[in-house]
Amino acid sequence: QLRLQESGPGLVKPSETLSLTCTVSGASVSDGSYYWGWIRQPPGKGLEWIGHIYQTGTTNYNPSLKSRVTISVDTSKNRFSLKLTSVTAADTALYFCAGAPPTFDIWGQGTVVTVSS
Amino acid sequence: QSVLTQPPSVSGTPGQRVTISCSGSTSNIGRNTGNWYQQLPGTAPKLLIYSNNQRPSGVPGRFSGSKSGTSASLAISGLQSEDEADYYCASWDGGLNGWVFGGGTKLTVL
Repeated sequence: QLRLQESGPGLVKPSETLSLTCTVSGASVSDGSYYWGWIRQPPGKGLEWIGHIYQTGTTNYNPSLKSRVTISVDTSKNRFSLKLTSVTAADTALYFCAGAPPTFDIWGQGTVVTVSS
Repeated sequence: QSVLTQPPSVSGTPGQRVTISCSGSTSNIGRNTGNWYQQLPGTAPKLLIYSNNQRPSGVPGRFSGSKSGTSASLAISGLQSEDEADYYCASWDGGLNGWVFGGGTKLTVL
């Protein structure tokens, strides 16, 4: 059974880089049947797609975040990662990793990231 | 401001049928499929409907989806108290080259 688990610091200072990892179990991160993505949810608000990566390494990013986002895959550890640079309080959110297709049908439980000094 | 537009809230009584609308455009729902998620408080979203009207294994038949033009709809029949949750629509947007979500609809079971 495919499972995803997010991990990373729960507190990041403004202007620094947010780094999260999603560990995949029950499937290979390099399995061409899937692509892997990140979605976030600010407190009390809706879902926002951040981006995703295919097993080929091709990425798609939300245009509003593209200049600050990098998603990568580590096949040796069967995981994929999110880096978001120059964070501000507006980046405070519950961050989910997810697997697709046809759409994001497998989700991690989510991890809260707070941006504060 | 979300790319897909949903009503902020809907309500119904047990046993009733409710529908939630999702309005998009030709760059998303109009050319691609509508998908629906259910999010219970404090949990990750759960895929309810994909490809407009397909239910993943384990999703009850009370949940159904449809699409017409640039809009998608989610219908819940035989409403139950455990259906009280937030519901989100999503679609691929060819113009943005990415996924877009609706702002979410809070379903209250009276």
